[in-house]
Amino acid sequence: EAGVAQSPRYKIIEKRQSVAFWCNPISGHATLYWYQQILGQGPKLLIQFQNNGVVDDSQLPKDRFSAERLKGVDSTLKIQPAKLEDSAVYLCASSLGAPSNTQYFGPGTRLTVL
Amino acid sequence: AQSVTQLGSHVSVSEGALVLLRCNYSSSVPPYLFWYVQYPNQGLQLLLKYTTGATLVKGINGFEAEFKKSETSFHLTKPSAHMSDAAEYFCAVSGDGNNRLAFGKGNQVVVIP
Repeated sequence: EAGVAQSPRYKIIEKRQSVAFWCNPISGHATLYWYQQILGQGPKLLIQFQNNGVVDDSQLPKDRFSAERLKGVDSTLKIQPAKLEDSAVYLCASSLGAPSNTQYFGPGTRLTVL
Repeated sequence: AQSVTQLGSHVSVSEGALVLLRCNYSSSVPPYLFWYVQYPNQGLQLLLKYTTGATLVKGINGFEAEFKKSETSFHLTKPSAHMSDAAEYFCAVSGDGNNRLAFGKGNQVVVIP
């Protein structure tokens, strides 16, 4: 079974530029999550989708971050414009959706904002 | 809101010695508890989880954890550390209905030969 795929793996941009990350979840997983992991910290949930609807985006900085999950499969997370403090690893995860279900994580995208 | 506390960001252990990583949680609902491991430049991999039933949970790579409701703890142990156990370990809690995971800050484990 294929795991969660993410691209790109690494991205370096200047502040005020824009960037987009892509995620393809495990086939059949209705729930998709985006996490931000700052160096030395645990992952923090940014947004959670159930199929193509948003369940929780309370911690998403909506003035600069946006995300979509068209057709309830792939998802894209965008930052525009980027700030220095956005430097982090962005992790995508998917699950079947129940609270006891395991979330399976992709390898992440490491973003460096200069 | 649910939360997790992991003390001691860096943990050094000798090869062959006991690995003990402490996790305490806060939750207003019955929790689901998880331990994940993260190797350099990789995503998180599930080690084990507690949902219901037996409070002693066995996971991959010889790790186990015990859910103690009275102590609000879910400590991770492995009897004998191996060099390949060097990684970062995260405890997480969910159970609020939306399956959002709240992670601790993690423990970076260093195994000394």
